[in-house]
Amino acid sequence: DTAVSQTPKYLVTQMGNDKSIKCEQNLGHDTMYWYKQDSKKFLKIMFSYNNKELIINETVPNRFSPKSPDKAHLNLHINSLELGDSAVYFCASSQVLTRGYTFGSGTRLTVV
Amino acid sequence: AQSVTQLDSHVSVSEGTPVLLRCNYSSSYSPSLFWYVQHPNKGLQLLLKYTSAATLVKGINGFEAEFKKSETSFHLTKPSAHMSDAAEYFCASGGGADGLTFGKGTHLIIQP
Repeated sequence: DTAVSQTPKYLVTQMGNDKSIKCEQNLGHDTMYWYKQDSKKFLKIMFSYNNKELIINETVPNRFSPKSPDKAHLNLHINSLELGDSAVYFCASSQVLTRGYTFGSGTRLTVV
Repeated sequence: AQSVTQLDSHVSVSEGTPVLLRCNYSSSYSPSLFWYVQHPNKGLQLLLKYTSAATLVKGINGFEAEFKKSETSFHLTKPSAHMSDAAEYFCASGGGADGLTFGKGTHLIIQP
């Protein structure tokens, strides 16, 4: 069983489109995250979310929005896609008290 | 605020020789520290983590790291490199709902 699963694995889309990436975890963790890995492989947190609080990295454009229908899911919606949004997006989850993080396998987004 | 500095963007070693990947951290409190490995076009795999227990941490695949508070370092070592160790390695700091702060990565090259 995959602990943190993301879909799709690859996403190619045109500028200006709106797209979503789904993430599900079956670990019973209480917090989920989205990270962006740019073309230089630099990883930066975008959001963290538990049932009580959404923490947004202030550098993330408001075209990006996380949606959590329940504790096991944190989807990423992106509006009006731009070329600079091309990157690999990783979902992760953790149980905050144990500080153990598990990452999904990533979604490679290409905006053309 | 936390920050992580990986001192080498690239490290090249011969197969069978020791590996040393350097990481310094900056934190206003005692941090949790992590090493992750990313093989080409793959996700992030946890090698090991330090969470204020033993300062010498053993991980998977023969890797270990030593937490040195006086030097604010958490260097990753392996006694004997294998070709399969060629990958990108990330040091990270953090814990809790704020997620992880990553270094910029070290690309490990293994020469035959």
